[in-house]
Amino acid sequence: QSVLTQPPSASGTPGQRVTISCSGSSSNIGSNSVYWYQQLPGTAPKLLIYKNNQRPSGVPDRFSGSKSGTSKSATSASLAISGLRSEDEADYYCAAWDDSLSGVVFGGGTKLTLL
Amino acid sequence: QVTLRESGPALVKPTQTLTLTCTFSGFSLTTSEMCVSWIRQPPGKALEWLARIDWDDTKYYSTSLKTRLTISKDTSKNQVVLTMTNVDPVDTATYYCARTYKVVTSNSFDIWGQGTMVAVSS
Repeated sequence: QSVLTQPPSASGTPGQRVTISCSGSSSNIGSNSVYWYQQLPGTAPKLLIYKNNQRPSGVPDRFSGSKSGTSKSATSASLAISGLRSEDEADYYCAAWDDSLSGVVFGGGTKLTLL
Repeated sequence: QVTLRESGPALVKPTQTLTLTCTFSGFSLTTSEMCVSWIRQPPGKALEWLARIDWDDTKYYSTSLKTRLTISKDTSKNQVVLTMTNVDPVDTATYYCARTYKVVTSNSFDIWGQGTMVAVSS
């Protein structure tokens, strides 16, 4: 059972926009930044979003992150992917530092499928 | 170019101690705000963070595995070592090491190793 909650699956057609949610608590998402990782089949995860909505160099602007609000009551975040492409088929994980656990917690992952 | 590479045994027996080494290049663990973590992923399952060691030798452990894990660094060799005692078949997973450079990308893992698969079986 993961500390952060994600839907196990998501799907969309090429060109469509999809969003993946990530729900946590005041000790993780409510207090700290959210990160998103993309894991293509058979490969190591890759950083997609850091500090809630920042993209590392090389990540297309089709990927965007957000977190609802700025207070400890803002315990959810989401990843949006616009203009879906076949190469976006992957597993997506959210993560955050947890102050109560003094460590990083991950979501259970969302498998994105293109229809 | 920043790279990390994990190494260790592919197969260990239950109750044995697993030792994994992360050898990195392109950065130094003596640099302020630099950290290296271990993360694992059982086959077909989610990522699980295990431990982190910081530039100042501060260490953090997963609360569920804390009693079994030890993380250490050798800055002269650019290596981070993770030991896990009393392994069980549920510890079968791909083990990754990853860099955190807090100044640039906060607590994220910006560069990952390719991972090393470890099976626990008698």
